[in-house]
Amino acid sequence: EAQVTQNPRYLITVTGKKLTVTCSQNMNHEYMSWYRQDPGLGLRQIYYSMNVEVTDKGDVPEGYKVSRKEKRNFPLILESPSPNQTSLYFCASSFGAPGSYEQYFGPGTRLTVT
Amino acid sequence: DQQVKQNSPSLSVQEGRISILNCDYTNSMFDYFLWYKKYPAEGPTFLISISSIKDKNEDGRFTVFLNKSAKHLSLHIVPSQPGDSAVYFCAASARDDKIIFGKGTRLHILP
Repeated sequence: EAQVTQNPRYLITVTGKKLTVTCSQNMNHEYMSWYRQDPGLGLRQIYYSMNVEVTDKGDVPEGYKVSRKEKRNFPLILESPSPNQTSLYFCASSFGAPGSYEQYFGPGTRLTVT
Repeated sequence: DQQVKQNSPSLSVQEGRISILNCDYTNSMFDYFLWYKKYPAEGPTFLISISSIKDKNEDGRFTVFLNKSAKHLSLHIVPSQPGDSAVYFCAASARDDKIIFGKGTRLHILP
């Protein structure tokens, strides 16, 4: 089954404690992206990757890091989480650029930073 | 500065009637538009898209209309069904790697 998986689905952490949210896709897609969804703000792109070792910033990259060492995986790293990063995070993958091709989204990771 | 605006946070429509969800954009460089649907506790799923060279695209019960001069697009769902109750996101891009989403419109289909 074609899918995008994210782990963990729920995470509560404290300010400053480094964390990683994993994302994996099994569709051999070139592009992968991370988004955050906040009430009243919709979905905002954090980072995206066009291929292995190629990443670029989206609209709200501050406080986040990503890496793309393998085509199927695209982890999101919060080196020093802060309460304003409390949000619902989605990973997505697509055959081509997100603005031109259908994206497949993961189920989401709800992060709370206290 | 909101480049993609969905001015109606919610919309209620009777089952069987037409649902019309609206989206406005400000960036004239946008040339590709997409609609995604989201159920609670799930990720968004792609619904339909349209290129700026077209003014209409249809897929089953879903039709998207694009009015470039007004920088406006709309999603029509006919007939509306209970399973259509969800949040709908409009998105736009300038055919590059970045995509801008609107804030979403919550659609309630009433029995």
